[in-house]
Amino acid sequence: GQNIDQPTEMTATEGAIVQINCTYQTSGFNGLFWYQQHAGEAPTFLSYNVLDGLEEKGRFSSFLSRSKGYSYLLLKELQMKDSASYLCAVRDSDYKLSFGAGTTVTVRA
Amino acid sequence: IAGITQAPTSQILAAGRRMTLRCTQDMRHNAMYWYRQDLGLGLRLIHYSNTAGTTGKGEVPDGYSVSRANTDDFPLTLASAVPSQTSVYFCASSDLAGADTQYFGPGTRLTVL
Repeated sequence: GQNIDQPTEMTATEGAIVQINCTYQTSGFNGLFWYQQHAGEAPTFLSYNVLDGLEEKGRFSSFLSRSKGYSYLLLKELQMKDSASYLCAVRDSDYKLSFGAGTTVTVRA
Repeated sequence: IAGITQAPTSQILAAGRRMTLRCTQDMRHNAMYWYRQDLGLGLRLIHYSNTAGTTGKGEVPDGYSVSRANTDDFPLTLASAVPSQTSVYFCASSDLAGADTQYFGPGTRLTVL
C-alpha cells in the first residue's frame, strides 16, 4: 500500500513562487504524478517523475528523490488561474495510482 | 466524442435504489478506472480494468460492481445505494504504456438520500 502526505492548504501572492511538498511510503514504486484540479472539475495531468531529479515544464517543475520518498511541485510566476488543488499520486508496481488528499493553493492579488 | 465522457453529470438517488454510472472513452486506451473523491480523503480507486473482459478490485470496492464488455465502455453499478456512497465519481483511462498517464472524465456527482 501507499501512504502519501501533502499539506492541506497554501496561500501565495500573484507573481510569487510556491512549493508543494509530497512525501510517500510505498511497497512498490513505479512513478510519481502531479495533477491539477480546479473546483468542480476533473483532475488534469501536470507532470510525471520516475527517475530522481527535476522535470521542468514552463512555469511548473517537479522534483523527485526516490531514496527519501519525497517530491515537490514548484509553481513559478503564480497567476490567479493557478488557484486549484494539486494532487500528488504514486504509482505502484501494478500500475495503480494512490493519491494524496491534495493541496489547495489560493493565489491572492 | 473526444476523450472521456461520463453520465449522468449529477444524480440524486433514494437509498436502496440501483444506479449505473456510465463511462465511455474514445482514445482506445487499454485500462480504465473508477475513483470516488470525498473531501479530505482524495481520490480512492474503486475498480479497474486493464483490458476488455477483465476487471479488478481497488481500495474501496464494496457495494460497487463493474463490467468491461468492450474497450470503450466501463459502467459502474451500485446495486443498492447507501448514503455513504454520496460522492463525486471519476472515470479515468490510460494506455498502460510509457508514462501510462491517466486521463479523467468530468465526473458524476451522486447524492444518496
